Amino acid sequence: GENVEQHPSTLSVQEGDSAVIKCTYSDSASNYFPWYKQELGKRPQLIIDIRSNVGEKKDQRIAVTLNKTAKHFSLHITETQPEDSAVYFCAANTNAGKSTFGDGTTLTVKP
Amino acid sequence: KAGVTQTPRYLIKTRGQQVTLSCSPISGHRSVSWYQQTPGQGLQFLFEYFSETQRNKGNFPGRFSGRQFSNSRSEMNVSTLELGDSALYLCASSLVDSTVEAFFGQGTRLTVV
Repeated sequence: GENVEQHPSTLSVQEGDSAVIKCTYSDSASNYFPWYKQELGKRPQLIIDIRSNVGEKKDQRIAVTLNKTAKHFSLHITETQPEDSAVYFCAANTNAGKSTFGDGTTLTVKP
Repeated sequence: KAGVTQTPRYLIKTRGQQVTLSCSPISGHRSVSWYQQTPGQGLQFLFEYFSETQRNKGNFPGRFSGRQFSNSRSEMNVSTLELGDSALYLCASSLVDSTVEAFFGQGTRLTVV
């Protein structure tokens, strides 16, 4: 079955620095790759997504890159702020209705 | 537009009992997925329903089952509860399938004692 590996599991950065989280997937049928942010005690919320026909997508301080050949995609957060502190999940989804999530990355931004 | 609603928010059950959790998707959304979230285990996919049909299932034992009604509301049932079933159960709805944005509910916190 599909497997998604996410690294690192924890990440601590200073405010203003950049943060990068990487995911690798196994199912070549995966064609949609969302990233979710989950703050403590809250529901996961989509922050950015990318489709398999796109290599990169940006939204203000957040960007995602996808390398279909290598089957990996990454989340980049620039100019980090304390409110970016949360757990981030990547996912690899197929048309067949299945979503496979990574195990999450706990990001801590120190003021 | 109302978000995804899950009921109940908290539940305490005894080992061996069964439980039913409910999820009301965003109006117009036809796909509902269920996930189990435990510390350190991330989000584990349980199953996905679309138009009352289960389209996909994760690697969970048969004690976990679900269904979807004609109004897209979904329920999941866990029979013969075990201590290890204690977790946050999240449902997510999307318009058609897992290739568009999914919106999560607040979850049901199940504790098995």
